[in-house]
Amino acid sequence: DAKTTQPPSMDCAEGRAANLPCNHSTISGNEYVYWYRQIHSQGPQYIIHGLKNNETNEMASLIITEDRKSSTLILPHATLRDTAVYYCIVREHNTDKLIFGTGTRLQVFP
Amino acid sequence: EADIYQTPRYLVIGTGKKITLECSQTMGHDKMYWYQQDPGMELHLIHYSYGVNSTEKGDLSSESTVSRIRTEHFPLTLESARPSHTSQYLCASSEGAVAYEQYFGPGTRLTVT
Repeated sequence: DAKTTQPPSMDCAEGRAANLPCNHSTISGNEYVYWYRQIHSQGPQYIIHGLKNNETNEMASLIITEDRKSSTLILPHATLRDTAVYYCIVREHNTDKLIFGTGTRLQVFP
Repeated sequence: EADIYQTPRYLVIGTGKKITLECSQTMGHDKMYWYQQDPGMELHLIHYSYGVNSTEKGDLSSESTVSRIRTEHFPLTLESARPSHTSQYLCASSEGAVAYEQYFGPGTRLTVT
């Protein structure tokens, strides 16, 4: 079973920041938080990952709370092409298995 | 952009037929995976391989089988297709001892009538 809880859906206006929350209250010390997204039943796409520090790359920012029990993926300027299902995944660093939950369906509107 | 390919993209086939879904990657990745996803549902890992001649079953039981004779190729076979096999099948690959990212193919949408 997935170790994360996400809201089933969210809306965001184009050009605004999209903040997608994720709860992972049972995360253990050696588990990382990963984010993937899946656009319209295509193959999922890796976005970002982190352990305890906040991370930023060209796609998004990841904010992890100090107790590591929750995190937020931030898309700073959402576009219509960001409409997708976003998956938050907790994964041990020494395993390759990804356990996908149901994710958050983000709808970006004009 | 990931160089991982799946064919066919769509397949409609009758019950009882044998089918093979192809997956190839040109990145030289040792690790490859097959996921199954029903419409609107989660992805479930059904098979994985850590290298040539290595195959393992995933978390979701599947009647399909896989083989890994070449690094770049990881086909999935159903000996006798049934309507319950109707689903999307996604192939992925990753590199290295600890891979941060799995690269996914576009998927094969299988319909068994």
